[in-house]
Amino acid sequence: GAGVSQSPSNKVTEKGKDVELRCDPISGHTALYWYRQSLGQGLEFLIYFQGNSAPDKSGLPSDRFSAERTGGSVSTLTIQRTQQEDSAVYLCASSHSRWELFFGEGSRLTVL
Amino acid sequence: KQEVTQIPAALSVPEGENLVLNCSFTDSAIYNLQWFRQDPGKGLTSLLLIQSSQREQTSGRLNASLDKSSGRSTLYIAASQPGDSATYLCAVKYNTDKLIFGTGTRLQVFP
Repeated sequence: GAGVSQSPSNKVTEKGKDVELRCDPISGHTALYWYRQSLGQGLEFLIYFQGNSAPDKSGLPSDRFSAERTGGSVSTLTIQRTQQEDSAVYLCASSHSRWELFFGEGSRLTVL
Repeated sequence: KQEVTQIPAALSVPEGENLVLNCSFTDSAIYNLQWFRQDPGKGLTSLLLIQSSQREQTSGRLNASLDKSSGRSTLYIAASQPGDSATYLCAVKYNTDKLIFGTGTRLQVFP
């Protein structure tokens, strides 16, 4: 597609379950970012992938969070043993090297 | 510490007014600065990107300026319309490639 695609758009899960969120970046974009936006809060950086370089994981809030990017394209953000404080909108963005960022519509996660 | 601040936090104006939204950053060694809008429940839409070597960028009724020495950027919206109502976010990119976001300005334009 023409834009960044994220799935699922909405996910409701029970505390303690694992969830996977998917991001399809714009074709050809080498950089991919994950951000988290909690209700009424700003955007919190989670992780950044650039080409084949080691990802910048400095924003991941705990070891329950992990992300991978396969083949330099699709990325999956995994949250293990979800907690209620994980409830937020998870936003993915991609860019060509260091240029303009384009965001997806986000995945809204609700942990009951 | 690299921080980005936006003022005002919220703004409510009648249709037709010209607006200025402000963005300040503490570290002037930026790579670029990007303005976004976010509608409720939606992702971010890119509005303007200014490279560190540029002073301003324009798109339609939007004009963004950059003054690195003072650590400021402004987004100017001419002849505001109700459809401009949204949250406006500025984000600063440094050489680490990490984009640091401001807390946003929530704009409401009423008819």
